[in-house]
Amino acid sequence: DGGITQSPKYLFRKEGQNVTLSCEQNLNHDAMYWYRQDPGQGLRLIYYSQIVNDFQKGDIAEGYSVSREKKESFPLTVTSAQKNPTAFYLCASSITRLIRNQPQHFGDGTRLSIL
Amino acid sequence: QKEVEQNSGPLSVPEGAIASLNCTYSDRGSQSFFWYRQYSGKSPELIMFIYSNGDKEDGRFTAQLNKASQYVSLLIRDSQPSDSATYLCAVNVGGGADGLTFGKGTHLIIQP
Repeated sequence: DGGITQSPKYLFRKEGQNVTLSCEQNLNHDAMYWYRQDPGQGLRLIYYSQIVNDFQKGDIAEGYSVSREKKESFPLTVTSAQKNPTAFYLCASSITRLIRNQPQHFGDGTRLSIL
Repeated sequence: QKEVEQNSGPLSVPEGAIASLNCTYSDRGSQSFFWYRQYSGKSPELIMFIYSNGDKEDGRFTAQLNKASQYVSLLIRDSQPSDSATYLCAVNVGGGADGLTFGKGTHLIIQP
């Protein structure tokens, strides 16, 4: 089945540790996104990528890094510089930057907690 | 600063009635608008999207857009207990493949 796969579902980080969240899609979508959701809050954009080998910072990029080496994959690294990483992380994709007003579809998310 | 405002609720509606969810946005140039449903502990699921003024209907759902008033709404007819969830309004300011700006969501409760 086509879709967006995020792994792991739950992740625990120790102080000073970097962790990487995986996001893979088999929808042949060009654009991919990472959002963060805190309890009772809406989603906030961390990073996005419209094409392979290119990505842009979102509203809350500090303490995070990404790569887009393959069309299917857009991993997010939460670095030790992110002082409050506990949140629900959501990956999304949309078809292409060449067609306007396209919706984004989400994976099932990864819950990150501090040990 | 791009802002999307929603009443956090909870909004309580009797089963079978019409639920009306509202959203306002600050950037007058915003191009497209999305409604997502999010069950507790789950990821958002796309319900409707709209980018032209007026109404757009899909089954029990109707999205309404008024760009002059910077207002978008979602109507749910014949509300069912399974509609109980948080509804997120999201705005694409540029219309391209940039990220969305989300409201904090409205918690909807359908009372059997």
